[in-house]
Amino acid sequence: NAGVTQTPKFRVLKTGQSMTLLCAQDMNHEYMYWYRQDPGMGLRLIHYSVGEGTTAKGEVPDGYNVSRLKKQNFLLGLESAAPSQTSVYFCASRRRVSYEQYFGPGTRLTVT
Amino acid sequence: AQSVAQPEDQVNVAEGNPLTVKCTYSVSGNPYLFWYVQYPNRGLQFLLKYITGDNLVKGSYGFEAEFNKSQTSFHLKKPSALVSDSALYFCAVRPGGSQGNLIFGKGTKLSVKP
Repeated sequence: NAGVTQTPKFRVLKTGQSMTLLCAQDMNHEYMYWYRQDPGMGLRLIHYSVGEGTTAKGEVPDGYNVSRLKKQNFLLGLESAAPSQTSVYFCASRRRVSYEQYFGPGTRLTVT
Repeated sequence: AQSVAQPEDQVNVAEGNPLTVKCTYSVSGNPYLFWYVQYPNRGLQFLLKYITGDNLVKGSYGFEAEFNKSQTSFHLKKPSALVSDSALYFCAVRPGGSQGNLIFGKGTKLSVKP
């Protein structure tokens, strides 16, 4: 039981490049989330999904897109990376009936 | 606006002494409250939660937290700190009536010295 996994662990992009971060969970959780963590800012919600095929915007969605084609996967895309998107990205998931979230190990992204 | 405050960026404690990490919140309805811990280069780990019932909640690794509705606080405590407790601690709240999205505090770095 791997829990929540994220791919890749590290990435360096040039401004304007695109990439996709993959989150996978094997706990059959309905809800999935993408956060970014910046020093002194805590965690901020980018997008979330309450089920397969559905997504919604969080607190800081601009510059990101997401897709949830399969229940176990939640993809975060950056179409045109900007230095302001340099951050550590965390994926999380939870069961519909329980509010505690389970987090992945994070992806450290640097945009130069 | 709904928010969570962790008023201390850092808390320093000597090993064996009690520790407290503070959290206050400002949300509508009856909140659900959570504490998470983050070790270096790791994701967040769930410690404990308050949903309803007894105001004193016990969690993992000997931690506990006390819900105080009148003071809108949910402070994390441990009777005897360990060096291995050194980490970043986050308080989070689910506002009452919301669909479950959490609002996180900015985090408090706990440093336990031998």
